[in-house]
Amino acid sequence: DQQVKQNSPSLSVQEGRISILNCDYTNSMFDYFLWYKKYPAEGPTFLISISSIKDKNEDGRFTVFLNKSAKHLSLHIVPSQPGDSAVYFCAARLRGQAGTALIFGKGTTLSVSS
Amino acid sequence: NAGVTQTPKFRILKIGQSMTLQCAQDMNHNYMYWYRQDPGMGLKLIYYSVGAGITDKGEVPNGYNVSRSTTEDFPLRLELAAPSQTSVYFCASRFDRDQPQHFGDGTRLSIL
Repeated sequence: DQQVKQNSPSLSVQEGRISILNCDYTNSMFDYFLWYKKYPAEGPTFLISISSIKDKNEDGRFTVFLNKSAKHLSLHIVPSQPGDSAVYFCAARLRGQAGTALIFGKGTTLSVSS
Repeated sequence: NAGVTQTPKFRILKIGQSMTLQCAQDMNHNYMYWYRQDPGMGLKLIYYSVGAGITDKGEVPNGYNVSRSTTEDFPLRLELAAPSQTSVYFCASRFDRDQPQHFGDGTRLSIL
């Protein structure tokens, strides 16, 4: 039973348009959510995060939205660029766990065509 | 600043062999983690450490061991390699709980 779900394995978008990647979670004890980006043969790279006390966080072209009542978050990339083509992982952290690591979704492969 | 360094990048083992995957970070991070990623899956936690001398099991620890004798190094040991351990292994670290994890580039391990 997955606690963090990314139900779309892949997404294709044209350059300049918006990319929206979705993530659902089941555990209401998550207090912090992160998005990581991964290129082939490299490790995941931190992209953006959001605390459960917020509903939006923005960093340049990247915005993460959190809907706690729906247990849903999304990553918006505007405008999308070919260099954004990668696998995007949603991850969540449990509240009160000092050393525990993150719980990851399976990832969504984003392809941005020029 | 090298960040998180993993060695080797690739390795092929025979069933029953043992090996150690190395992980080193030069950021003075307290927390270190080992994950594995199977094809089409997310990362799953194997072991973690909150500081030198302290380690604890994650979600999938069976078949693995770790040690943390220094802040910098967090090696992962496979004692009796099994085909189910074929995976990509990622090491990560972070300074404290509120910082994001930094990942190494992974070790791709095949057990035949």
